[in-house]
Amino acid sequence: DQQVKQNSPSLSVQEGRISILNCDYTNSMFDYFLWYKKYPAEGPTFLISISSIKDKNEDGRFTVFLNKSAKHLSLHIVPSQPGDSAVYFCAAGRNFGNEKLTFGTGTRLTIIP
Amino acid sequence: EADIYQTPRYLVIGTGKKITLECSQTMGHDKMYWYQQDPGMELHLIHYSYGVNSTEKGDLSSESTVSRIRTEHFPLTLESARPSHTSQYLCATIPSLPPYEQYFGPGTRLTVT
Repeated sequence: DQQVKQNSPSLSVQEGRISILNCDYTNSMFDYFLWYKKYPAEGPTFLISISSIKDKNEDGRFTVFLNKSAKHLSLHIVPSQPGDSAVYFCAAGRNFGNEKLTFGTGTRLTIIP
Repeated sequence: EADIYQTPRYLVIGTGKKITLECSQTMGHDKMYWYQQDPGMELHLIHYSYGVNSTEKGDLSSESTVSRIRTEHFPLTLESARPSHTSQYLCATIPSLPPYEQYFGPGTRLTVT
């Protein structure tokens, strides 16, 4: 039973446009959500997080939106840059991240110059 | 930025060999994790530790074992490697105080022939 789902395995976006990556979860006990970026043969790099007490968190070009009623979150990257090309993982946890995380399968984002 | 080190980065080994993947961190974090990731798949938690002499199995069954004799060191051992163990192994920690973002090491790419 996959508790965190990223239904789009890949996404291509023109440079300068907005990239929107989506993530759905099923476990209502999750209260902390994170996005990670991963290059091949490297470990994931933390991008941005959001707790369930918020519905939006912004950090530079990255914004995460959380819709608790729909159990859905999304990552917006604007403007998209070639260096954003990577695999993006959504992760969810309990106790505001102080416990183990459950990861989605990832979305490969390709930014087209 | 977190300081987590994994060695070796790449390893090709024959079936039946015993191997130990090293993970070290210099931040004094109590909680450490081992994940296994196959291409195009989510990260699966295989082991975690909440402190010295504490180890637990994760969500994905694994034939590997771990130990936590020192805070900074969390090695993973495969007693008899098999081709099914071919994967990327990622070590992570989280701090004791919020924000609880998991920091990942660079990973070990293991190939068992």
